[in-house]
Amino acid sequence: AQSVSQHNHHVILSEAASLELGCNYSYGGTVNLFWYVQYPGQHLQLLLKYFSGDPLVKGIKGFEAEFIKSKFSFNLRKPSVQWSDTAEYFCAVNAGITGGGNKLTFGTGTQLKVEL
Amino acid sequence: KAGVTQTPRYLIKTRGQQVTLSCSPISGHRSVSWYQQTPGQGLQFLFEYFSETQRNKGNFPGRFSGRQFSNSRSEMNVSTLELGDSALYLCASSLDSGGLSYEQYFGPGTRLTVT
Repeated sequence: AQSVSQHNHHVILSEAASLELGCNYSYGGTVNLFWYVQYPGQHLQLLLKYFSGDPLVKGIKGFEAEFIKSKFSFNLRKPSVQWSDTAEYFCAVNAGITGGGNKLTFGTGTQLKVEL
Repeated sequence: KAGVTQTPRYLIKTRGQQVTLSCSPISGHRSVSWYQQTPGQGLQFLFEYFSETQRNKGNFPGRFSGRQFSNSRSEMNVSTLELGDSALYLCASSLDSGGLSYEQYFGPGTRLTVT
């Protein structure tokens, strides 16, 4: 069974600091990769996705992620965080499903707190 | 376009009872998936329905079941509730057309508390 690892469970940053959240997955075949964000009191929202093509993908609110196949990684980055980025971030993988479809495996999440 | 809607938003049940949760996908989306979110286990996949058929299944006991209707709306049922079933149940829908991969959009969830 595939698994997803998020290395940082809690991250505290000051506004304007740069952010990088790690994500590694364990499946060796074709993967679809996602980062979702859950703001306080809100539902899960899609931040960005990778299906194929350019391994550097850009999402909403200035976030980007890089797919490195050789490292089985899909790290999330943002050059300068804002207080409003305080949220929980989830990495997810859709992979190896016979017959297609959706069966996301999520990481445990990273709680990001941005201080003023 | 309206997002994924789930009803009810909150539910309190007693151990041993059963419960039915409902999900309406985004208009035009044909795939509906269900996930369970708990502080201890995180987000876990329950099952996915597409064209009224269960297409993928997670590792949950048979007490958890679901179905999808011809209008793509979906319900999930949990029978013989246990305290450990207390969780946020999330529904997600996906366009899923022509064999291409699409992202899933999540609803706000149903918070189930079992006492």
